[in-house]
Amino acid sequence: DAGVIQSPRHEVTEMGQEVTLRCKPISGHDYLFWYRQTMMRGLELLIYFNNNVPIDDSGMPEDRFSAKMPNASFSTLKIQPSEPRDSAVYFCASRGGTNTGELFFGEGSRLTVL
Amino acid sequence: GENVEQHPSTLSVQEGDSAVIKCTYSDSASNYFPWYKQELGKRPQLIIDIRSNVGEKKDQRIAVTLNKTAKHFSLHITETQPEDSAVYFCAAPYSGSARQLTFGSGTQLTVLP
Repeated sequence: DAGVIQSPRHEVTEMGQEVTLRCKPISGHDYLFWYRQTMMRGLELLIYFNNNVPIDDSGMPEDRFSAKMPNASFSTLKIQPSEPRDSAVYFCASRGGTNTGELFFGEGSRLTVL
Repeated sequence: GENVEQHPSTLSVQEGDSAVIKCTYSDSASNYFPWYKQELGKRPQLIIDIRSNVGEKKDQRIAVTLNKTAKHFSLHITETQPEDSAVYFCAAPYSGSARQLTFGSGTQLTVLP
């Protein structure tokens, strides 16, 4: 398996623009997580899905953020409109439903909002 | 939810020395404690984990110890090498469930040659 795949790897956009980040989890993993990483706040869980259903979105900072998982192999995180304070690295991670807790992270999407 | 505190935030050691990073957690129901390593510009990757039914686990030069009574766990790296330089994160389950993890704030370890 190629691991968790995220795109784009880097995105530079202007304030007010819509940003869409994409993630393909490892095949067979039924949990998918979106994390945001900044120097100030570290690794923050934004939302997670189980079997494509959003379970906990309490970490989503505000209504400008939304996430979807239309099927088991694809998820998106959307920011509309984007703001400079959204600049961060966004990681997608997946794990299986077995007792092991290992999270497999994607390489991240580095977002810069000017 | 879980509150995880990690110390120190930065740690410098001489090559060959040992490094210890400590974390405390708040939820006594937590039963799974992983450690992740993140090299500069890379993704976090699991390096070792421990479940609450054991007090210590070793894997070559790294070990993790768990004190459930005191609600703290530690990462020990012996015979440090330059390639150990990275940010290390501890984590604990959110609300006692391994489905979600709360991460510590991270420790930047620098191994000096």
